[in-house]
Amino acid sequence: AQSVTQPDIHITVSEGASLELRCNYSYGATPYLFWYVQSPGQGLQLLLKYFSGDTLVQGIKGFEAEFKRSQSSFNLRKPSVHWSDAAEYFCAVGAGEYGNKLVFGAGTILRVKS
Amino acid sequence: EPEVTQTPSHQVTQMGQEVILRCVPISNHLYFYWYRQILGQKVEFLVSFYNNEISEKSEIFDDQFSVERPDGSNFTLKIRSTKLEDSAMYFCASRKGLSNQPQHFGDGTRLSIL
Repeated sequence: AQSVTQPDIHITVSEGASLELRCNYSYGATPYLFWYVQSPGQGLQLLLKYFSGDTLVQGIKGFEAEFKRSQSSFNLRKPSVHWSDAAEYFCAVGAGEYGNKLVFGAGTILRVKS
Repeated sequence: EPEVTQTPSHQVTQMGQEVILRCVPISNHLYFYWYRQILGQKVEFLVSFYNNEISEKSEIFDDQFSVERPDGSNFTLKIRSTKLEDSAMYFCASRKGLSNQPQHFGDGTRLSIL
């Protein structure tokens, strides 16, 4: 069965520092991969997506992610974190035909200290 | 930018009562979804809907649940006889197409069963 693992429940970084959030997936075929962000009281906002092609994908708010098939990973990165990036981040894999349903990881809560 | 809108933002209901959660997907989208997130747990897929019928549903989506697109703009989730364990955040999502198209989420409805 498809699954997504986000090994870090909480991460704290200083404002201006770089960030990497880890995501590993289990899926038999070529995966569709996504990162969503959820601020308190808000819905899930799409940060970026990978369907095929270039394994380094750019998203909104200065985020990027790299798909590494050999490691079954899709880690999210940002070179310089801003206080407004504090939120919960979810990695997801599109399962089933055309990735019709999303299977989510447990999420990583990012805290930014000034 | 077009958004998925959900109403109400918070619904409080007595156990055993019926509840209807409402969603207005993005207007040119063809695929619709419901997910839920019980407090402290992962976001879970409930059901997908296309061409006025359910295309896939999870084990959670039992006979107490139903979905409907009554008028070409709304997409509703009905829980017939609510249980305490139905308390969760319910997210609606929509998708323009299947190929290389992500799901866009609403802000969610927090359902509290008393």
